[in-house]
Amino acid sequence: AQKITQTQPGMFVQEKEAVTLDCTYDTSDQSYGLFWYKQPSSGEMIFLIYQGSYDEQNATEGRYSLNFQKARKSANLVISASQLGDSAMYFCGGSNYKLTFGKGTLLTVNP
Amino acid sequence: DTGVSQNPRHKITKRGQNVTFRCDPISEHNRLYWYRQTLGQGPEFLTYFQNEAQLEKSRLLSDRFSAERPKGSFSTLEIQRTEQGDSAMYLCASSLGGETEAFFGQGTRLTVV
Repeated sequence: AQKITQTQPGMFVQEKEAVTLDCTYDTSDQSYGLFWYKQPSSGEMIFLIYQGSYDEQNATEGRYSLNFQKARKSANLVISASQLGDSAMYFCGGSNYKLTFGKGTLLTVNP
Repeated sequence: DTGVSQNPRHKITKRGQNVTFRCDPISEHNRLYWYRQTLGQGPEFLTYFQNEAQLEKSRLLSDRFSAERPKGSFSTLEIQRTEQGDSAMYLCASSLGGETEAFFGQGTRLTVV
């Protein structure tokens, strides 16, 4: 079984600054994937970024990057140059044979 | 639109009634997931399919919940004898495999009165 832990219920960041959202995972599998999703107040789950367990380089997608530290079992999301539209819930997910999620972090971007 | 489609978007039902939700995944995706989400919480895994085979059902689910995916295409989630505690957003997602990104539908919001 895989367990995803997000320890930050809420985070605040000033517009244009960078922010890191924490995620740790616990799995005994060698092969797995790690994901981040954004859920704005409208409710849809929007895929942001993916990291495979065998990928040696950290994944990047535009302003999003995933700081993958395998030994620490962490997969933190870094958002650079925050925008007001980044205010949302963010969920970390992990998948070996099924996709499960953490409890989420509510990010608020202040002007 | 080639995304994941869920119907209905909203459902209000009286306690004790049965409800059925439908999910149409992205056509080439062989994996399909159902989740339940309540306010302020992360999506809670309910069940998933690989093609038409239901591979796992959460132990948190009572026998009142059943899901099918005939022919490995669309899926239905049925809740029998609904209770007020079943009120939640029900999300469907599909993916090409277990370790690839899943794409979500817009969800079905169930309210049991």
